[in-house]
Amino acid sequence: AQRVTQPEKLLSVFKGAPVELKCNYSYSGSPELFWYVQYSRQRLQLLLRHISRESIKGFTADLNKGETSFHLKKPFAQEEDSAMYYCALWGAQKLVFGQGTRLTINP
Amino acid sequence: NAGVTQTPKFRVLKTGQSMTLLCAQDMNHEYMYWYRQDPGMGLRLIHYSVGEGTTAKGEVPDGYNVSRLKKQNFLLGLESAAPSQTSVYFCASSFERYNEQFFGPGTRLTVL
Repeated sequence: AQRVTQPEKLLSVFKGAPVELKCNYSYSGSPELFWYVQYSRQRLQLLLRHISRESIKGFTADLNKGETSFHLKKPFAQEEDSAMYYCALWGAQKLVFGQGTRLTINP
Repeated sequence: NAGVTQTPKFRVLKTGQSMTLLCAQDMNHEYMYWYRQDPGMGLRLIHYSVGEGTTAKGEVPDGYNVSRLKKQNFLLGLESAAPSQTSVYFCASSFERYNEQFFGPGTRLTVL
């Protein structure tokens, strides 16, 4: 069975500090992993996907198959990064989401 | 382009009532999905469709039915609403299976 775990429901950091949102997965096949973000009063939208290996809004995420992790990182957090973040895994015909992490950036 | 739209935005039902949520997309996407979002549980897939006339069950299909009579529309039905179905419902669509999913604004449903 495929499963995505985001161990932190809430994460709070100060502006300018590094931020890391954790994501661990379990899946027997080759995973397709994504990070989706939901800003206040906006729709859920794709932030980045591991296959494209790009940096979006300063965020990066590296797939670590050995540790089955896909943590989201940003070296210097900005106030506009405050949002709900979901890690998601494509496998077995569907996208499975983690529980989400609410990130708050304090001024 | 409107993208993905959902109707209605809010609804309050009494236990046992029925209703249909409508999702429409104007991007010519093949794949469409219905999710529910509950606190602490993330988004869970209810049903999905891989093309016009097709539907399939997701993680939590019980108590819901769906139809995809037209490519651009995906309907989610509750035949006999229960308080456990109080949730925020999101529709999404994608061009292909592994592509980015585009989400609607959500429907907040309360069942009393």
